[in-house]
Amino acid sequence: DAKTTQPPSMDCAEGRAANLPCNHSTISGNEYVYWYRQIHSQGPQYIIHGLKNNETNEMASLIITEDRKSSTLILPHATLRDTAVYYCIVRSHTGANSKLTFGKGITLSVRP
Amino acid sequence: EAGVTQFPSHSVIEKGQTVTLRCDPISGHDNLYWYRRVMGKEIKFLLHFVKESKQDESGMPNNRFLAERTGGTYSTLKVQPAELEDSGVYFCASSLRQGGTYGYTFGSGTRLTVV
Repeated sequence: DAKTTQPPSMDCAEGRAANLPCNHSTISGNEYVYWYRQIHSQGPQYIIHGLKNNETNEMASLIITEDRKSSTLILPHATLRDTAVYYCIVRSHTGANSKLTFGKGITLSVRP
Repeated sequence: EAGVTQFPSHSVIEKGQTVTLRCDPISGHDNLYWYRRVMGKEIKFLLHFVKESKQDESGMPNNRFLAERTGGTYSTLKVQPAELEDSGVYFCASSLRQGGTYGYTFGSGTRLTVV
């Protein structure tokens, strides 16, 4: 079972920031927070991951709370092509828990 | 670099037939994973290869599914005999290391329809 909970859907206006929340209250100390997205008819695409510090790359920013029980993925300037299902996943880097356990994700709709 | 390639992109077969899906990982990636999404369900892990060895096959649904990775390069996933409930999208992914600094790279998937 997925160890994360996400709202089922949200929308935002094109050009605005999209803030996607995720709860992972049972995360353990060696588990990372990963975000993937799946655009219709494509395979899941890696976005970003972090352990406890905030992270930023060319796609997005990841803000992890100090207690690590929740995080927010930020797409700073959403475009129509960012419409997708976004998955928040907690994952260890070793052993059996290194596989990805997908939940239902959050469907982000970016409107013109 | 070339991404993860899956073949075929679509397959329609009759119940009871055999189908073989192929995955070519990114060159040099020792870790290869199979996942699938069946209708209306979430994406589920099937198994994980490290080179040619099966590291974790806990997600394989039953013995009608056979995965191989001879020589540690490409992998095949055979379904024999196929059942209606096997319909779905089968994804392959690869990574350089088990954890992977940049996560997995997924292929576009094979959409399998069993009729």
